[in-house]
Amino acid sequence: TQLLEQSPQFLSIQEGENLTVYCNSSSVFSSLQWYRQEPGEGPVLLVTVVTGGEVKKLKRLTFQFGDARKDSSLHITAAQPGDTGLYLCAGVAGANNLFFGTGTRLTVIP
Amino acid sequence: NAGVTQTPKFQVLKTGQSMTLQCAQDMNHEYMSWYRQDPGMGLRLIHYSVGAGITDQGEVPNGYNVSRSTTEDFPLRLLSAAPSQTSVYFCASSETDRVFIYGYTFGSGTRLTVV
Repeated sequence: TQLLEQSPQFLSIQEGENLTVYCNSSSVFSSLQWYRQEPGEGPVLLVTVVTGGEVKKLKRLTFQFGDARKDSSLHITAAQPGDTGLYLCAGVAGANNLFFGTGTRLTVIP
Repeated sequence: NAGVTQTPKFQVLKTGQSMTLQCAQDMNHEYMSWYRQDPGMGLRLIHYSVGAGITDQGEVPNGYNVSRSTTEDFPLRLLSAAPSQTSVYFCASSETDRVFIYGYTFGSGTRLTVV
């Protein structure tokens, strides 16, 4: 089992604030993915980062892969209520295997 | 709409009962898997399949069986339900060897309660 720890576990912020969530592991992954899950639904892929040090931006969301490919962060600028959800990181090891983190539950208060 | 379809959405079982959770995808994905999601523990892999006729165990396979007779379908069977199997179950699929970039497509889940 390749453990991925996410922090914080819960985060409640006001609309317009910035936030960062973290995903850490002692294992090296060939790529790392971030998913968002809304209540009653399955996770939906947001982004894949592949190269150590890579930074990807998706509108107000910025994703970074650590240089050693063991950790990642997600930064949200000017959070909106629509950003509310469970954010999951997942490390890819081998051809098809995804190992999921424990998740960060984000609530953005209007 | 193309995607992964899971049925039922909700189910309550008594301890010792058996049931099958259904999963079907229409994207011609060879890779399919079953996860369970529990609070504070993330998603844990139960079983997976890399193609019709081929299945393998994941991290938490005990108490569950799978089979893959077609590319489209990947049912999960609970042999004798136990309260510890109370969870939300997700089926996911992907093109083989494409998880690296494209990740998984998930179904909307089955919420199972064992009393």
